[in-house]
This record gives sequence, C-alpha cells and structure tokens, in this order.
Amino acid sequence: DAGITQSPRYKITETGRQVTLMCHQTWSHSYMFWYRQDLGHGLRLIYYSAAADITDKGEVPDGYVVSRSKTENFPLTLESATRSQTSVYFCASSRDRGQNTEAFFGQGTRLTVV
Amino acid sequence: QKEVEQNSGPLSVPEGAIASLNCTYSDRVSQSFFWYRQYSGKSPELIMSIYSNGDKEDGRFTAQLNKASQYVSLLIRDSQPSDSATYLCAVYSGGYQKVTFGTGTKLQVIP
Repeated sequence: DAGITQSPRYKITETGRQVTLMCHQTWSHSYMFWYRQDLGHGLRLIYYSAAADITDKGEVPDGYVVSRSKTENFPLTLESATRSQTSVYFCASSRDRGQNTEAFFGQGTRLTVV
Repeated sequence: QKEVEQNSGPLSVPEGAIASLNCTYSDRVSQSFFWYRQYSGKSPELIMSIYSNGDKEDGRFTAQLNKASQYVSLLIRDSQPSDSATYLCAVYSGGYQKVTFGTGTKLQVIP
C-alpha cells in the first residue's frame, strides 16, 4: 500500500543496546524526518533528510544516528539506548520545502528502554 | 519563551458548539502554518494549512491567521464527539525544513 510505514510498532529494549527503527515511504518524497513525542514537549525533530545521502541534525540529535542510502528508507538508530530515549517516535515525509511543507506521518513506534 | 505556544487544555465544548483553538508563535518571519489532529495513540494528520492573513475555510474547519499579532487559530463548527483529539499547531519559519510544533491542545466534545 502507498504511504509511510514504520517498524516495529512497539519495542522494548535494555539500556546500552543498539536499536534501529525503520521507516519506509512509497511516495518518493524528497524530505524525511524523525520526531520524538514526549508529554510536555510535543514533537521534537531529531534528524531530517533532504534527499538520499543528505541528512542533518534537528533539535535533539544526541544519541541517534540516521542514514538514507535510498530515497524511500530512513532508518533511525539508537547507538546505546538510555532510559531518557523512552518515547514515541514518528517518521514523516514531505514532498517539498518552502510553503509546501505539509508532512505525512507514519503510525509511530513506541520505544521503551528498561 | 517557546517558539510555538498552545494552551494544553483540555478544552471542553458541548456537541454542536464552536470549538476555538489558539496558537501563538514567536518568529516573525514564519511563513506557513498548519493544524494537525492527533487521536490518542495515533499519528498526527494534517487538517488545515494557511499561508496568508485572513480566514481559510474547509468544511467545518476554519483557520485564521494574523501575522501582525503572530497568532493562528482553528475554529471547528458544529463540533462532534469524533472531533475529540489533540490539535497540534505547526509553524514553518523558512530555512531548511524548519517546522516547529506546539505541544497541542486537547479538545473534548461532550455529547
């Protein structure tokens, strides 16, 4: 089906483990984003990508790594998970920048670090 | 001061009433403004976008923008219980895809 999908939907991991969250979109959107959503903070941008092989930091990048070798995929890796990274993670994509910056979100991944 | 501010609510309105959701932003060069609806446990979905001063209507939804006052609002007419959700205000301030989200206002429509 067309759209943007995230996997897994739920993940429990231990402190110090590496974990990768996957994001796949079928629209060929140029721009992709990773946000985390926490109570009291709203959505905060972790990393974004303007195209394949072009990524840049957002507001809260520490502890996270991204890559984008193909336009349709934008995985997010937590190199050594910490409890403070327990959150709901949303991947999003948009067609363009400038005024056409409507973003379309995946279903989210609820990550718990114990 | 937060870049995008919203009252967290909850805002409770009776079914059939007008719900008014407000958002203020701090960056005067902000260009584009968006309202997203997020049901509990779900992802945000875009419901309205507005780029110029004035009102923009789409069905029961009206977005209002006043750049001089740095204020954007969303009116929901004939509110339905299915409108109960958290509404996120998002502001694009130029640069390289910089979109800032508010923390959201929770709306409860009482049958």
